[in-house]
Amino acid sequence: AQSVTQPDIHITVSEGASLELRCNYSYGATPYLFWYVQSPGQGLQLLLKYFSGDTLVQGIKGFEAEFKRSQSSFNLRKPSVHWSDAAEYFCAVWSGYQKVTFGTGTKLQVIP
Amino acid sequence: DGGITQSPKYLFRKEGQNVTLSCEQNLNHDAMYWYRQDPGQGLRLIYYSQIVNDFQKGDIAEGYSVSREKKESFPLTVTSAQKNPTAFYLCASSIGLRDRRLGYTFGSGTRLTVV
Repeated sequence: AQSVTQPDIHITVSEGASLELRCNYSYGATPYLFWYVQSPGQGLQLLLKYFSGDTLVQGIKGFEAEFKRSQSSFNLRKPSVHWSDAAEYFCAVWSGYQKVTFGTGTKLQVIP
Repeated sequence: DGGITQSPKYLFRKEGQNVTLSCEQNLNHDAMYWYRQDPGQGLRLIYYSQIVNDFQKGDIAEGYSVSREKKESFPLTVTSAQKNPTAFYLCASSIGLRDRRLGYTFGSGTRLTVV
């Protein structure tokens, strides 16, 4: 069975600093991987996805993520955080057969 | 622009009452999903549908019902059998079940509160 873990419930970074949000998955083969962002009281928006090819994936809003098979990770990064990036971020995994599994989310706070 | 519309944004339910949450999409997607979101628990799948007049239970279907009479519409009814319905409900869609690799499109959600 597939599973996904986001070890950090809450992260605080200063505006302009770099960001890395962690995501670890459990699945025997290479799964499909996603990052979504959710602003308060809103739905989720797809930031980026990976299912094959280049392990460094570029997404919207200046985000990128790197798939590392050896570490079963798909961490989300941004070189310089803006105050508007404050939101909750969800990693998700899909094996291709069953349901999509979402992580429990990481809340990002950006301080001036 | 194409998208998913959920209504209402806020909904209040009295004890013992059934309420229906609306979800409409104009993306021409075949597959639609309902998720429940509680703080710290991520998203949990309630029901999904891959085609008109067909739907399947997800992980937490008890106390909920759905219909799929039109491709564009996938309403969720929260029945009085659902003992803890207070949550944020999200509707999503994908081109098809096999196209979930492309990701979901989500609506903006309905917050249901029991009063």
